[in-house]
Amino acid sequence: KAGVTQTPRYLIKTRGQQVTLSCSPISGHRSVSWYQQTPGQGLQFLFEYFSETQRNKGNFPGRFSGRQFSNSRSEMNVSTLELGDSALYLCASSPGSPGSRGETQYFGPGTRLLVL
Amino acid sequence: KNQVEQSPQSLIILEGKNCTLQCNYTVSPFSNLRWYKQDTGRGPVSLTIMTFSENTKSNGRYTATLDADTKQSSLHITASQLSDSASYICVVSPPLTDDKIIFGKGTRLHILP
Repeated sequence: KAGVTQTPRYLIKTRGQQVTLSCSPISGHRSVSWYQQTPGQGLQFLFEYFSETQRNKGNFPGRFSGRQFSNSRSEMNVSTLELGDSALYLCASSPGSPGSRGETQYFGPGTRLLVL
Repeated sequence: KNQVEQSPQSLIILEGKNCTLQCNYTVSPFSNLRWYKQDTGRGPVSLTIMTFSENTKSNGRYTATLDADTKQSSLHITASQLSDSASYICVVSPPLTDDKIIFGKGTRLHILP
């Protein structure tokens, strides 16, 4: 079974631009979460989707948004990019609902975004 | 504020030696506590997962322990190998679905030959 895939793997943008990142979960997984990882802050939760609905959201500004499609694939969008948005963006999938806290999340390789 | 703090921030040991990484948390009780291994340039991979009532969980040379009284978890790595060089992240899931999962900042482990 294929793992979580993320595209693109690397991306360079300039301030003010917008970017869309894509995540395909493991087949059969319905829950998708997004995280931002920076050296100084570690992993920080962005949002969580289940069955096309955002079920949980972290403390990020409205420039960060996401959505989930009927096939469980998910995208996240960052508008008006800032230098501080440079980070590794990780997507994780799990089989069931967000309430199933005992489930393991399977992470993708991430998209490394550099904002110049 | 719920927190997860890991120590040390980084660690260097020789191949073959044992080491122990620490995770202190404030969330109590919790749904589960997990340890992840993250290789450079890759996403985290789950090593162990423990519920609040468990006090030890092993995965090969990795053994996680939990002390609910002191709110500490440890990850012990036995007979380290060069491939153990990675970041190790402690993650705590609060009991309520709407509460945020809390990630530690990780311990960076370097294994020297």
